Amino acid sequence: NAGVTQTPKFRILKIGQSMTLQCTQDMNHNYMYWYRQDPGMGLKLIYYSVGAGITDKGEVPNGYNVSRSTTEDFPLRLELAAPSQTSVYFCASTPWEGADTEAFFGQGTRLTVV
Amino acid sequence: AQSVAQPEDQVNVAEGNPLTVKCTYSVSGNPYLFWYVQYPNRGLQFLLKYITGDNLVKGSYGFEAEFNKSQTSFHLKKPSALVSDSALYFCAVRDMGARLSGGYNKLIFGAGTRLAVHP
Repeated sequence: NAGVTQTPKFRILKIGQSMTLQCTQDMNHNYMYWYRQDPGMGLKLIYYSVGAGITDKGEVPNGYNVSRSTTEDFPLRLELAAPSQTSVYFCASTPWEGADTEAFFGQGTRLTVV
Repeated sequence: AQSVAQPEDQVNVAEGNPLTVKCTYSVSGNPYLFWYVQYPNRGLQFLLKYITGDNLVKGSYGFEAEFNKSQTSFHLKKPSALVSDSALYFCAVRDMGARLSGGYNKLIFGAGTRLAVHP
């Protein structure tokens, strides 16, 4: 199993551009998450999904959109990139409801908006 | 609302000394608690978890954590620190009571504590 795979690893965007951060997992996990990590700020939850077709906002959803058409994929969309979205983005997954198992993380995407 | 607090931005320890990284939590139901470690330019890696049972849980790399329900704490400990333990440590909680209030059992992380172990 590859686990959680994120692409790209690095990206530089200009202000106003859009992009999609890809996340896929091959563990058949129902729960998937997107976090952003800013220096000294820890991990902030952007969006999460409890299954295909179901998504919900986290702590910092503004400026982002997600979709979950399949169990495997959970892409994060930035429509109008802003410097405040410069961050490291992590995708994670956990098994079904009531999961007492740990979350599995991707390697992260380092995004810079200039 | 569920939350996790890590009161120390950084912890400095001499190699060979015991270390403690603190974590407190707030949830509406029973907590599932986790510790993760992040090495430079890497994703988070699972260290240990508390679900139920013994309040002292043991995990990877010689780490352990003590669950204290009355103090709502879940501090990470290691009897003898190594320089290679230097990393960023995150505490996380899944609130298993969230569904009762119409929500989902999200996984919430603390802000992280940087551990520096000096030779």
